[in-house]
Amino acid sequence: AQSVAQPEDQVNVAEGNPLTVKCTYSVSGNPYLFWYVQYPNRGLQFLLKYITGDNLVKGSYGFEAEFNKSQTSFHLKKPSALVSDSALYFCAVRAFSGGYNKLIFGAGTRLAVHP
Amino acid sequence: EAGVAQSPRYKIIEKRQSVAFWCNPISGHATLYWYQQILGQGPKLLIQFQNNGVVDDSQLPKDRFSAERLKGVDSTLKIQPAKLEDSAVYLCASSFIGSTGELFFGEGSRLTVL
Repeated sequence: AQSVAQPEDQVNVAEGNPLTVKCTYSVSGNPYLFWYVQYPNRGLQFLLKYITGDNLVKGSYGFEAEFNKSQTSFHLKKPSALVSDSALYFCAVRAFSGGYNKLIFGAGTRLAVHP
Repeated sequence: EAGVAQSPRYKIIEKRQSVAFWCNPISGHATLYWYQQILGQGPKLLIQFQNNGVVDDSQLPKDRFSAERLKGVDSTLKIQPAKLEDSAVYLCASSFIGSTGELFFGEGSRLTVL
């Protein structure tokens, strides 16, 4: 069965420093991987996805993610964090069954960027 | 392009009462999802529709939860009777047929059961 794990409940980083939010996955077959962000009292917003191709995927708001097949990881990164990046981040994997897609989410990681 | 619309945004009820949530997906999106997000957890899929048919309701507590999408457009999720553990945010999402898996989410309906 497909699953994702986000090993950190919270990540703290100073503004201007690089950030990494970790995600590992377990799938059968080729993984389709996603990152979403959730701001307070809002729904989930798509950041980026990996389907195939380059292992480094670029997304919205300056975020990128690195796919590593040997480590079954898909870590979210940003070279220089902003206070406005503070939010809840979810990693997700696509489950494809019977011709239908659904996303399975990790538990989420809260990112706190301090001035 | 209009996003996924949900209402109400907030609802407070007492246990054993009933509640209904409404969702209108992005125009043209055939697939509609209801997720439950309990505080401190990731979203969990409750039910998935393709047009007006159910394709996955394996995690829907059918003794108290029901959902319908009669005309293949908007959808209603109902809880009756509510329990304390149903306190959560109910997220509606949609996607188009042939999507690689990217879902578009509404802002959610926060339910508090007292």
